[in-house]
Amino acid sequence: EAEVAQSPRYKITEKSQAVAFWCDPISGHATLYWYRQILGQGPELLVQFQDESVVDDSQLPKDRFSAERLKGVDSTLKIQPAELGDSAMYLCASSSPTSGGTDTQYFGPGTRLTVL
Amino acid sequence: AQSVTQPDIHITVSEGASLELRCNYSYGATPYLFWYVQSPGQGLQLLLKYFSGDTLVQGIKGFEAEFKRSQSSFNLRKPSVHWSDAAEYFCAVGTLGGATNKLIFGTGTLLAVQP
Repeated sequence: EAEVAQSPRYKITEKSQAVAFWCDPISGHATLYWYRQILGQGPELLVQFQDESVVDDSQLPKDRFSAERLKGVDSTLKIQPAELGDSAMYLCASSSPTSGGTDTQYFGPGTRLTVL
Repeated sequence: AQSVTQPDIHITVSEGASLELRCNYSYGATPYLFWYVQSPGQGLQLLLKYFSGDTLVQGIKGFEAEFKRSQSSFNLRKPSVHWSDAAEYFCAVGTLGGATNKLIFGTGTLLAVQP
């Protein structure tokens, strides 16, 4: 069964350092999502891509976060500089539209970020 | 604004007992509704989804959920819980088509299973 791949699984960094996370969606899925999940809460969307284009980044803190999906396949999420409040699980998901305009998002295993 | 409420933060049931996890949503149009499960330190696995049609939907691992428009609810049920069902469960509502398909998640319900 095809899966969303993410790396690294765990990342520990110090405040003010730069970090990057990578996501490889399910093959053929045009839509890719990055979510942030703070401990004890549900995931919240940071950015959504349709192919290589951003369609929603309204909740992305653009002063320190950036995301790209240059060839419309895999994607990188970067934080520079990291702050203590960025400690969270970062989840990537992908989807492909089904009939009726609906789609189902499939999630990767996530990257657990700890900022010291 | 869209929102999802999961009133129960933590639930403990005995193995073999029945389970119902509550979910209430707020959405102006016909909702897409999902239940996901998350084991500790892992990503989210889709249990089931409701888009339209039959209001009782079957999912994986013996779970089912019933969409009740009049109550704005989408409760998850399982007739007999197994120890391996211990995890965190998230209900989510999604937008209907369009350029964006953001999922709005509830805060989750943590399920513990007693032997």
